[in-house]
Amino acid sequence: DAGVTQSPTHLIKTRGQQVTLRCSPKSGHDTVSWYQQALGQGPQFIFQYYEEEERQRGNFPDRFSGHQFPNYSSELNVNALLLGDSALYLCASSFGEGQYFGPGTRLLVL
Amino acid sequence: AQSVTQLGSHVSVSEGALVLLRCNYSSSVPPYLFWYVQYPNQGLQLLLKYTSAATLVKGINGFEAEFKKSETSFHLTKPSAHMSDAAEYFCAVSKNYGGSQGNLIFGKGTKLSVKP
Repeated sequence: DAGVTQSPTHLIKTRGQQVTLRCSPKSGHDTVSWYQQALGQGPQFIFQYYEEEERQRGNFPDRFSGHQFPNYSSELNVNALLLGDSALYLCASSFGEGQYFGPGTRLLVL
Repeated sequence: AQSVTQLGSHVSVSEGALVLLRCNYSSSVPPYLFWYVQYPNQGLQLLLKYTSAATLVKGINGFEAEFKKSETSFHLTKPSAHMSDAAEYFCAVSKNYGGSQGNLIFGKGTKLSVKP
């Protein structure tokens, strides 16, 4: 069973650009959550998707948006990138209790 | 609102010594509590979880944690540290959200070093 997978693993963008990150959940999981982990910090919750709808949202601006597809995979989009958006972006999937994390996408904004 | 405080950003122990990583939480509702481990340049791996069943929770790799409501604590322990335990450990809290787990709120993490 492949766990949670994310692509790409690394990404370099410049300020003002847009980026799309992708996540495939663990088999049987229907809920996907996204987190941002800045260097030296704990992960911060961005939003959670369930049944293709955004169910919860953390304290992130509208520049951060997402989508969940019928096969439960998900995308995170960030528009108008800022230097402060440089971080490790983690996807987690769940079905009931316990969220399982992917390896993350490391985004560097120059 | 829910929050998590991890006491000590860096803990160093000798190989074979007891590991104790401290976590205190704040929650207005009965919480779900978790410990995750993160190795360098990797994602987070679930070590163990408390979801209102037994207060002493056993996890992977010999770790366990005890939920103490009176102390609002969920400290992580391991009787004997191995070199492979060196990593960063995160405590997290969430609440039940419609039968499934709501968003996780993480502490700032504790980096564990193990000396030979």
